[in-house]
Amino acid sequence: GENVEQHPSTLSVQEGDSAVIKCTYSDSASNYFPWYKQELGKRPQLIIDIRSNVGEKKDQRIAVTLNKTAKHFSLHITETQPEDSAVYFCAASEERALTFGSGTRLQVQP
Amino acid sequence: DAGVIQSPRHEVTEMGQEVTLRCKPISGHDYLFWYRQTMMRGLELLIYFNNNVPIDDSGMPEDRFSAKMPNASFSTLKIQPSEPRDSAVYFCASSFWAKKGHGMAGELFFGEGSRLTVL
Repeated sequence: GENVEQHPSTLSVQEGDSAVIKCTYSDSASNYFPWYKQELGKRPQLIIDIRSNVGEKKDQRIAVTLNKTAKHFSLHITETQPEDSAVYFCAASEERALTFGSGTRLQVQP
Repeated sequence: DAGVIQSPRHEVTEMGQEVTLRCKPISGHDYLFWYRQTMMRGLELLIYFNNNVPIDDSGMPEDRFSAKMPNASFSTLKIQPSEPRDSAVYFCASSFWAKKGHGMAGELFFGEGSRLTVL
């Protein structure tokens, strides 16, 4: 089955700086790569996703890049704000079920 | 739509007791998933259904765990007997996936979760 590795496990940045979270996956057949944000005590919610026919996607301050050859994808958050503080999960899937990474706890210091 | 609805939100029980968690997916979604979240193991897929049929239950940890989906609007996850190591947040999620060949995958919508504590 699919295996997703996520790094770093914790990330602390100053407000206004950029944050980058990286993931690798094992199954070359995976073709869907979403990112979820989970605030403390809340449910995970989709923030951005990318499919294998696209190398990069951007939505305001967040962007995701995908390198299918290397089997890795990354989340980039620019101009971070305190409300970006949360746990971020990457995921990958070829069939309908998502395999999640272990999560990155992002702390944005004001 | 009210989103994915789970109950109970919190459950505290004693070891050996039966626990039943319930889920109502978003109307029109044809996939339903049960995930378990712990600090140590993160988000683990337990089982998922397509059109009420279980597709993959390889993530179900033991025979103590069972899940059913009797119709498109209801699913249960049952633990019998429960053990302290089952303590976790259990999420139900649903999605709609377009048929293959039409390109687009579906967003996974999570319920608010059921926090289970087994003493």
